[in-house]
Amino acid sequence: EAGVVQSPRYKIIEKKQPVAFWCNPISGHNTLYWYRQNLGQGPELLIRYENEEAVDDSQLPKDRFSAERLKGVDSTLKIQPAELGDSAVYLCASTLVGFRGELRSHEQFFGPGTRLTVL
Amino acid sequence: AQSVTQLDSHVSVSEGTPVLLRCNYSSSYSPSLFWYVQHPNKGLQLLLKYTSAATLVKGINGFEAEFKKSETSFHLTKPSAHMSDAAEYFCVVSGVGGGSYIPTFGRGTSLIVHP
Repeated sequence: EAGVVQSPRYKIIEKKQPVAFWCNPISGHNTLYWYRQNLGQGPELLIRYENEEAVDDSQLPKDRFSAERLKGVDSTLKIQPAELGDSAVYLCASTLVGFRGELRSHEQFFGPGTRLTVL
Repeated sequence: AQSVTQLDSHVSVSEGTPVLLRCNYSSSYSPSLFWYVQHPNKGLQLLLKYTSAATLVKGINGFEAEFKKSETSFHLTKPSAHMSDAAEYFCVVSGVGGGSYIPTFGRGTSLIVHP
């Protein structure tokens, strides 16, 4: 079974440019997460989807960040325009949550991440 | 509300000696607890998990952790460190609130293994 797929793995852009990241979760997983991991820190949640609905986006900087999960499967995260402080690793994860919120798969499965460098 | 504190940012051990990575948590819910490992330029890999079954949890690569409710701790241990264990380790607490699974990561502990 394929794991969580992310692309690109690396991206270098100049500030003020747009950038987009793509994630394909594990087949059948209804919940998808985007995290940002700064150097030397743990992942911080940006947005969480249950199927195609964004249910927790309180940490997403909405002035420049946007995300979508059309059809409740794969997802894209966009930054426009990028700033120097956006340099980080962007991680996607997925899991299966039951209708009562219980964690069916008992863990999150993570993709390899996209390392963004903004110059 | 929930939070997790990894008490050491760095732990340094010699190969063949025991490893102890400390984690304390707080949660308003009955928590599930996880340890993940992240090798350089790699994704996060699950080491082990506690989900209200046995309090002593065994994971991959010889790691284990004990859930102690009275101490709100979930420390990670390994009897004998190997060079390949050098990596970043993250403790994660999750609870179910409002029908959603909400994980919170610690800041991470960097494990350094000396020959």
